Amino acid sequence: EAGVVQSPRYKIIEKKQPVAFWCNPISGHNTLYWYRQNLGQGPELLIRYENEEAVDDSQLPKDRFSAERLKGVDSTLKIQPAELGDSAVYLCASSLGTPNEQFFGPGTRLTVL
Amino acid sequence: QKEVEQDPGPLSVPEGAIVSLNCTYSNSAFQYFMWYRQYSRKGPELLMYTYSSGNKEDGRFTAQVDKSSKYISLFIRDSQPSDSATYLCAMEVGGSYIPTFGRGTSLIVHP
Repeated sequence: EAGVVQSPRYKIIEKKQPVAFWCNPISGHNTLYWYRQNLGQGPELLIRYENEEAVDDSQLPKDRFSAERLKGVDSTLKIQPAELGDSAVYLCASSLGTPNEQFFGPGTRLTVL
Repeated sequence: QKEVEQDPGPLSVPEGAIVSLNCTYSNSAFQYFMWYRQYSRKGPELLMYTYSSGNKEDGRFTAQVDKSSKYISLFIRDSQPSDSATYLCAMEVGGSYIPTFGRGTSLIVHP
């Protein structure tokens, strides 16, 4: 069975540029998460989707971050404009819901110069 | 004070040693407790998932939860160099579906 797929794996951009990350969850998983992981820290939730509905986005910096999950499958996370402090690994995870056993993708490592 | 505290290490042990990894927490509403393993430049991988206090065993891994002390542990028996990774604890309030992660402990098992 294919795991969670993320692309790109690495991205280097100049500050103030836009960037987008893509995630394809495990087939049949209705819950999708986007996390940000800073160096030496655990993942921190940005947004959680149940099917196509964003049910928890309280930690998403909405002035520059946006996300969508069209048709309740793939999801895209966008940053516009990027800032130096956005340099981190962006992880996507999916689960069936209950129990909340999450499966993570390999992440996108973003470097903002 | 963070809700979940975890010593970042690194913890260095010889091959074959018993490893003990620990987390403490402050939120008594946490009901689900997880341990993830994360290799360098990879996403976290779920190792153990427990709901109640007590022990849960899976091969060389044992997860222990003590809700009265707000303390959880992961034991690794007969540690192998391939166990070298960062181990993240995570906890969840029932029904929230949002885990709170510790910062992870870096484990190095040397031959």
